[in-house]
Amino acid sequence: EVQLVESGGGLVKPGGSLRLSCAASGFTFSSYSMNWVRQAPGKGLEWVSSISSSSSYIYYADSVKGRFTISRDNAKNSLYLQMNSLRAEDTAVYYCARQAQYGFTFDYWGQGTLVTVSS
Amino acid sequence: EIVLTQSPGTLSLSPGERATLSCRASQSVSSSYLAWYQQKPGQAPRLLIYGASSRATGIPDRFSGSGSGTDFTLTISRLEPEDFAVYYCQQYGSSPRWTFGQGTKVEIK
Repeated sequence: EVQLVESGGGLVKPGGSLRLSCAASGFTFSSYSMNWVRQAPGKGLEWVSSISSSSSYIYYADSVKGRFTISRDNAKNSLYLQMNSLRAEDTAVYYCARQAQYGFTFDYWGQGTLVTVSS
Repeated sequence: EIVLTQSPGTLSLSPGERATLSCRASQSVSSSYLAWYQQKPGQAPRLLIYGASSRATGIPDRFSGSGSGTDFTLTISRLEPEDFAVYYCQQYGSSPRWTFGQGTKVEIK
């Protein structure tokens, strides 16, 4: 069974940093591109970042470029999101999502971790 | 940037009725790059349809997707109680890589 479990969320002050983790199991993690998608309270979905299976290709939404860094450790079956210079508008539930091999979609999602940026 | 506009914002229907949800793109989108998701309160999104019309694993056949170019549709042939949720369309592009529509809420009438 495919499982994605996020952790690392919490309350942080504006300008602060946080590192999210996503532990993957039930599939060959090193064969899949992975993504972070966020959802502000009561709002829609926003793609944040993507990383290819071997970390060769990395992409960011303009809203986080230069502040967030995505990475992965295939030996540990883990995905990460380092978030720096956090702003109130970064407050959201952050989901990790597996990119399907058959299409440009996300076929499995974690349960999400809440990041709150507030003084 | 391609913008996806979903309509209506809210759809009020009764169980057993047919639901038709629209997703309109600001520019032409390859059908291969169009997907639909379902999200229930407090849960992660679930992939329903990919490639505009292919059902994801385990998705009942009452869900169907269609469309091309700039107009795409998600149809739920007969609403079951568990189908009342928010639905999002998504497209893959160049920059940003993925965008989502703002969502359509299907609520019980």
